[in-house]
Amino acid sequence: GAVVSQHPSRVICKSGTSVKIECRSLDFQATTMFWYRQFPKQSLMLMATSNEGSKATYEQGVEKDKFLINHASLTLSTLTVTSAHPEDSSFYICSARGPTGLLGYTFGSGTRLTVV
Amino acid sequence: GENVEQHPSTLSVQEGDSAVIKCTYSDSASNYFPWYKQELGKRPQLIIDIRSNVGEKKDQRIAVTLNKTAKHFSLHITETQPEDSAVYFCAAFNQAGTALIFGKGTTLSVSS
Repeated sequence: GAVVSQHPSRVICKSGTSVKIECRSLDFQATTMFWYRQFPKQSLMLMATSNEGSKATYEQGVEKDKFLINHASLTLSTLTVTSAHPEDSSFYICSARGPTGLLGYTFGSGTRLTVV
Repeated sequence: GENVEQHPSTLSVQEGDSAVIKCTYSDSASNYFPWYKQELGKRPQLIIDIRSNVGEKKDQRIAVTLNKTAKHFSLHITETQPEDSAVYFCAAFNQAGTALIFGKGTTLSVSS
């Protein structure tokens, strides 16, 4: 149980375009999901907390107008990287808290974004 | 906010040896401490976790110890095997108690 699916796994886009990444909880409802960014050989940096039915909470230094988060249902959160630039190239990974009673957070498989 | 420090950044051991990775956290209200293993290009996988009401937890070759007074917790891997080679991350909750904040990771290399 507690499976999180993330798509796409890899995407290459041109500078200036937008990319949408989807994160789905497959067998449980996730009122809260989290988006992280991981640069090569670095740690996972929390970008924002996605709350179902309300606005996302962004971490300091993360541009909310550039990284649009939508959490329209209990099983789906999306991250849209708008006007992407090469420096946005990274591994983006979502996570969700498991079903009620479980503290463990489950991660999606991640999205490797390359902006050319 | 929460700050999680992790040491060492790299660790090389011989197969069969033990490996210890240590983390410290800043928020004394933190009550949950997971450890994740991440292989290259893959998602982090939870390998063990501990809550603040216990001092130690074991799962076969893996154990985690917690010292709440000193605000540090450690991962212990015994009888290491080459397949244990990966990056290990510790984590603790942020100040709001919602999201996990990760340490910088430890690259463990087990040579046979």
